[in-house]
Amino acid sequence: DTGVSQDPRHKITKRGQNVTFRCDPISEHNRLYWYRQTLGQGPEFLTYFQNEAQLEKSRLLSDRFSAERPKGSFSTLEIQRTEQGDSAMYLCASSRNGLPGGYTFGSGTRLTVV
Amino acid sequence: QKEVEQNSGPLSVPEGAIASLNCTYSDRGSQSFFWYRQYSGKSPELIMSIYSNGDKEDGRFTAQLNKASQYVSLLIRDSQPSDSATYLCALENSGGSNYKLTFGKGTLLTVNP
Repeated sequence: DTGVSQDPRHKITKRGQNVTFRCDPISEHNRLYWYRQTLGQGPEFLTYFQNEAQLEKSRLLSDRFSAERPKGSFSTLEIQRTEQGDSAMYLCASSRNGLPGGYTFGSGTRLTVV
Repeated sequence: QKEVEQNSGPLSVPEGAIASLNCTYSDRGSQSFFWYRQYSGKSPELIMSIYSNGDKEDGRFTAQLNKASQYVSLLIRDSQPSDSATYLCALENSGGSNYKLTFGKGTLLTVNP
């Protein structure tokens, strides 16, 4: 069990650029979640995958955001045409069936849009 | 009313004291409740889960749940400086099978040596 891995740890980008983050969940975990956390707030749900199927997307996830989980393994979160309001910590978490709420969070990707 | 509300903090206690963190929620159908600890600049770490009314103890931590009052709390006994962190209350929304969590804003706890 190597934990949930996220890459990169930090990303600074100019407004209008596209960015992509990667998450590698714990290998036996079939559920994968993306959350976003801004300063002074708790994490907010963005989207959820069970295996390779994206089963729920938050209204927070505008059409500039897209997430994939090909083959039910790693996941990517892409933000197109970044805006300053996208600056946040993007957290990935995984869990397995039968363990409700037993999330393991990755270390997160901190995005700064300048 | 926000879905999950936590006492605003920050909360400061002396080393060795009991720290009490509180959380109220609006969704009466919520079944599962969690406390996460988050150190500055780090990701949340699950420290307690509670599913039924009453108390659940794990070492120095005790979670308390009262579904009738829609209230969940976390007590930390013999607080240590290493307990200084933000504590996030989270609940699993009812009516779905995706096990997504709704978090409160968190309460910053400082334990003074």
